[in-house]
Amino acid sequence: ETGVTQSPTHLIKTRGQQVTLRCSSQSGHNTVSWYQQALGQGPQFIFQYYREEENGRGNFPPRFSGLQFPNYSSELNVNALELDDSALYLCASSLSGGLNDEQFFGPGTRLTVL
Amino acid sequence: GDSVTQMEGPVTLSEEAFLTINCTYTATGYPSLFWYVQYPGEGLQLLLKATKADDKGSNKGFEATYRKETTSFHLEKGSVQVSDSAVYFCALIFTWGYSTLTFGKGTMLLVSP
Repeated sequence: ETGVTQSPTHLIKTRGQQVTLRCSSQSGHNTVSWYQQALGQGPQFIFQYYREEENGRGNFPPRFSGLQFPNYSSELNVNALELDDSALYLCASSLSGGLNDEQFFGPGTRLTVL
Repeated sequence: GDSVTQMEGPVTLSEEAFLTINCTYTATGYPSLFWYVQYPGEGLQLLLKATKADDKGSNKGFEATYRKETTSFHLEKGSVQVSDSAVYFCALIFTWGYSTLTFGKGTMLLVSP
C-alpha cells in the first residue's frame, strides 16, 4: 500500500510569484486536507476536498486555492506569494472524511519565499 | 473557537526517564483528541487517540487519558528512548461537520543516552 506522497520536496520562490504543490493520496482515500506549518508552529488547516469538491476552508485568503482530481490526487495553488507563506505544506488523506477516520500525512513540501 | 495548548519545549530527558507532555483544550461539544509525532524530515504520524471522556489511548508505550473535567489529554511514557526524540503535537477534531484537525504548537522532546 502506497502512502501519501508530495512533490516537490523543497521549493524556492520570490514574492509575487505563483506556486503549485502536489499530493498523491493513499490508495482508496477520497478526502484530502491541506495544512500550513510555519516554523515552530503546529499545522494550520487550509482546506479540505471530498470527491473533487471543496468541503471546508480555514482562515486563509482566496489566493490559496486547490483542486482534487478524479484519481483523488490534489494540488494546492498559491498566487501572489508573500514572505509569510514560507512554511512546510502538508497534505493528509483519509478514507471518507469522517470525524473518526485517521488522516495520513505526507512528508510535506518546504516552501521558501524570498 | 476550538484551541489546543501544550507545554513549551524543548523537553530534555535522559534515556529511561519518565515523560509527561501537558495538553489542554477548549472546544464546543466533545471533540476527539489526538497525539501526533513528527520525526525530523518526516510528516506527522498518528501516535494515539481517544474519542470520548475517560478513554485512554495507548501506543508504543505512550499513553494519554481524555479528562473532560480538566479538559486535558496529557501524554505520558514510563521510560523514554533516544529514538523517541521528535516533536509531539496534541490535536482535536473540529466538530463542525467536517474532519479538520486543530493542532497545538508542538513540543520538542530530546532524549540523550
